Amino acid sequence: QVQLVESGGAVVQPGKSLTLSCTASGFNFSDFGMHWVRQAPGKGLEWLAVIWYDGSSKYYADSVRGRFSISKDDSKSMVYLEMSSLRVDDTATYFCARQLDYWGQGTLVTVSS
Amino acid sequence: QLVLTQSPSASASLGASVKLTCTLNRGHTTYAIRWHQQQPEKGPRFLMTLYRDGNYTKGDGVPDRFTGSSSGAERYLTVSGLLSEDEADYYCQSWATGLWVFGGGTRLTVL
Repeated sequence: QVQLVESGGAVVQPGKSLTLSCTASGFNFSDFGMHWVRQAPGKGLEWLAVIWYDGSSKYYADSVRGRFSISKDDSKSMVYLEMSSLRVDDTATYFCARQLDYWGQGTLVTVSS
Repeated sequence: QLVLTQSPSASASLGASVKLTCTLNRGHTTYAIRWHQQQPEKGPRFLMTLYRDGNYTKGDGVPDRFTGSSSGAERYLTVSGLLSEDEADYYCQSWATGLWVFGGGTRLTVL
């Protein structure tokens, strides 16, 4: 069955960088686009970024464009979210999702001094 | 700009039915949407893709109790025979070129 497992969440200081990883299994990873979505504590879902199945296109929400970067490694069935210049309001649980039809359980990022 | 509007909360009794609404803004009223369910402390679960004509395709293992329908700019999710496990947040979601958008979510309470 399809499984997505995020990792890399941590407590980081404002202005620092962090990379999240998502390991996929149960499907042919190279055939699917992948998304990152986040959820601030007590808030709703916010779409962040998508990478096309072949990596040819990437799109970002205005709130993270220029600070976050999505990438994928088909050989490892992994998708990444590199986050830089982190702000307090980036504090959230970060989810990866396969074409928004299968979701992981999330990894918590806390940005605090 | 694509905007999806949902009521913040809804409630219904155990065993009853409830209809949740997602409204697409002007200029985007023909768009398809997706419904996702998020139970407390869990990751979201995809429920269905719902089209302007009311047809829908459900995700793997989604019970028959979950159905979709459409009317104009509104997209509906109906949950019948409510169970306690249906108490969750429900999000609609749509997409345009280079942009994916979620509604604010509806918290469903099962009484």
